[in-house]
Amino acid sequence: EVQLAESGGGLVQPGGSLRLSCAVSGFTFSSYWMSWVRQAPGRGLEWVANIRQDGSDKYYLNSVRGRFTISRDNAKNSLYLQMNSLRGEDTAVYYCATMGDSGWNREFNWFGAWGQGTLVTVSS
Amino acid sequence: EIVLTQSPGTLALSPGERANFSCRASQSVRSNYLAWYQQIPGQALSLLIYGASSRAPGISDRFSGSGSATDFTLTINRLEPEDFAVYYCQQYDSSPLTFGQGTKLEIK
Repeated sequence: EVQLAESGGGLVQPGGSLRLSCAVSGFTFSSYWMSWVRQAPGRGLEWVANIRQDGSDKYYLNSVRGRFTISRDNAKNSLYLQMNSLRGEDTAVYYCATMGDSGWNREFNWFGAWGQGTLVTVSS
Repeated sequence: EIVLTQSPGTLALSPGERANFSCRASQSVRSNYLAWYQQIPGQALSLLIYGASSRAPGISDRFSGSGSATDFTLTINRLEPEDFAVYYCQQYDSSPLTFGQGTKLEIK
């Protein structure tokens, strides 16, 4: 069974940092592009960042570029999102998700499997 | 940036009826790179349709997708109680990847 489990969310002050993790199982993690998608309370979905299977290519939403860093550890079947200089507008549930099919090269795709999300609240 | 506009915002139907969701793009979505998702509170999001019309593995054939370029439709036939949820479209033609604002399907 495919499983993705996010952790690391919480309350942080504006300007602070947080590191999210996503532990996966049930599929060959190293064969998939991976992504973070967020959802502000009561709002729609927003793609944040994605990373190639080997970690060599990364793409970011403009509003988080330079503040957020996506990374992965294929040996640990884990995806990460380092978030620095956090702002109120970053408050959201953050989901990790697979992208496309196994082994695909294309950097942009649909989101196949999702975790349940972890809530990040940026507030003083 | 491709902006996706979904309509209606809320759809009130009864079990057994058919639901149609619209997703319109601000510019043509090449190669029909459009997907649909279902969000039920307390559950992980589910991919329903990709490539505008291909059903994801394990998805009931009551769900179908159609359309091209700037106009796309998700149809659910013979609504069942578990179908009442929020539905989103998403384009993966170009960066940034964008979603529609969602359509809430509620029980009439």
